[in-house]
Formats: sequence, structure tokens, C-alpha cells
Amino acid sequence: DQQVKQNSPSLSVQEGRISILNCDYTNSMFDYFLWYKKYPAEGPTFLISISSIKDKNEDGRFTVFLNKSAKHLSLHIVPSQPGDSAVYFCAVGSEKLVFGKGTKLTVNP
Amino acid sequence: DTGVSQDPRHKITKRGQNVTFRCDPISEHNRLYWYRQTLGQGPEFLTYFQNEAQLEKSRLLSDRFSAERPKGSFSTLEIQRTEQGDSAMYLCASSLSGERGLLGYTFGSGTRLTVV
Repeated sequence: DQQVKQNSPSLSVQEGRISILNCDYTNSMFDYFLWYKKYPAEGPTFLISISSIKDKNEDGRFTVFLNKSAKHLSLHIVPSQPGDSAVYFCAVGSEKLVFGKGTKLTVNP
Repeated sequence: DTGVSQDPRHKITKRGQNVTFRCDPISEHNRLYWYRQTLGQGPEFLTYFQNEAQLEKSRLLSDRFSAERPKGSFSTLEIQRTEQGDSAMYLCASSLSGERGLLGYTFGSGTRLTVV
């Protein structure tokens, strides 16, 4: 059973517009919620995180929102840039991270 | 520190052979994790160590798989009698334990295994 679900395998947006990536999880005991970015032939790299006591965390163009009652996490990228094109993984956990299947974001110039 | 290093980057092996991968974590990190990623999937947890102690193993880690971290520094992952289903990217990550541990999870570039 999937503990972390990213229901959109892919997303395509125009440069300058907002990208919204979504993630749902099942275990309410998770403490940490993160987004990773992955380019081909590289390992995932940490992008942004939020702890369970917050509902929003912002870092430049990236904002993560957490809705604990809905067990839902989202990543907003605004404005989107072509260099943001990558696979984005949602990861949640306590002692270790559980990853979603990823969403491939393509930002078109 | 150059981050998390994994060796080799690529490995092609014949079915039934044994393979061993190495991971060198960030030196001050006491936790080390192994994940496996197949096409179209996210990284799946295999096992993790705190120092030299193996604290958890996934049910994905069959008895053909063994991981060690003998001195609490580098780690090895061995797969015996490889099968075609073992073909995947094997990722290593390291972090510090405690509250900031998960926030500082750093991955290596992975070892891509192809079993023919």
C-alpha cells in the first residue's frame, strides 16, 4: 500500500506561470514533509521542507503548504522557469523518509 | 567534503552473480540509508544504519541482500545470486540523527545495476 501518493505523473506549465505539485499521505504520525528535485542520472536533491507544526514555508520562488487534517502537501513554484524542469518527489517521515512516485514537471519557454 | 559518494556508478552483471556497492557518506553524518529506485517509481527504503548499528530493514530486503557499515563510516550493499528484478538504481543517503536529521538527508548519485 502506498503511504505517499503523487497522483499526477506529469505537469506542463508555461515559463512565468505557477506550478502546483500535490501529494497525499496516509500516516498522520509523520513529522517531517519534504520536497526533493531530481535530474536524470543524479540522486534526488533537497528542495524545501516543512515540519508538522507549521502550515506554510516559503523559500524564494518555492512555497510548501501542509494541510494536516486533509493529509495533503503541495509545492508551489512561482514564477516557473525552464531550469525547474525535473522530477519532483514528495517525501514524508519520522525516522526515515517515504517517497512518492514523483511528478515530472516541464516548464516551457 | 564532497558529499555522498557511491561506487561504481554503473554495474552490468549476469544473472546469478554477486555484486557489491559502496557508499561513503558525509563524514560528520551518523546515519546512512539505502534506497532502491526503479523506473517510474520513487526511491523505496531498504535499510538504514545509525553509526555501525543496522536499525531497520525493509521487507524489500530479501535474504539475498546484505548491508554493512563496519566502522560507522562507509557502507556496502551486497546482492547475492542477482536476478533480473534486481535491476534498479541503488541510492545511498546520509544525515544526522535527531530533529534536523531528515531535513539534512543528502543523497549520492546512485549506482545503476543492470542484470542481464
